[in-house]
Amino acid sequence: SAVISQKPSRDICQRGTSLTIQCQVDSQVTMMFWYRQQPGQSLTLIATANQGSEATYESGFVIDKFPISRPNLTFSTLTVSNMSPEDSSIYLCSAGTGEGPLHFGNGTRLTVT
Amino acid sequence: GENVEQHPSTLSVQEGDSAVIKCTYSDSASNYFPWYKQELGKGPQLIIDIRSNVGEKKDQRIAVTLNKTAKHFSLHITETQPEDSAVYFCAAKVSGGADGLTFGKGTHLIIQP
Repeated sequence: SAVISQKPSRDICQRGTSLTIQCQVDSQVTMMFWYRQQPGQSLTLIATANQGSEATYESGFVIDKFPISRPNLTFSTLTVSNMSPEDSSIYLCSAGTGEGPLHFGNGTRLTVT
Repeated sequence: GENVEQHPSTLSVQEGDSAVIKCTYSDSASNYFPWYKQELGKGPQLIIDIRSNVGEKKDQRIAVTLNKTAKHFSLHITETQPEDSAVYFCAAKVSGGADGLTFGKGTHLIIQP
């Protein structure tokens, strides 16, 4: 199964700044997704990271706030822009191939002060 | 879109007893149903999955059953052990489709020694 590494694992940021989270997969995958998990809550899909084209965002999430890049089949970044305390959450990268299962990284724990 | 309901939100069982977690889904097109275990400070870990062409799947102490007609699926853990304590999430999607997983709200399983 794919091994997914996320950086940073945690960060504390000032409001109004931006943070870019990196997701690296140890093998080529066709699908990469970004999720948000509020403390003690379930996972909410932010967007699908499409290789070579613009990401597909779920309702309630916009590109200006959460720009996503996916330059190749093993790497993606999520930026949380102009952060506010409400953006404090765990951000998770997920990846998989075709009919196969989706695996997750250990997440990035973001605190905005 | 898909909606996944999960019950109970908290489940406490004696060590050695069985635990059952139930989920329902709304989209009849969904045909892939994974279960994830999430331990504190970690990302969700896939523990078992089932596709709609089978009704039951087992892996040692863990089993999943699927009733496609009723749109519900369940996780069964037998002979529970302290290391089974975690939050469990069910999810659903259309296998091979471009959409990500839709998750239930999670069940906090507590194994009492």
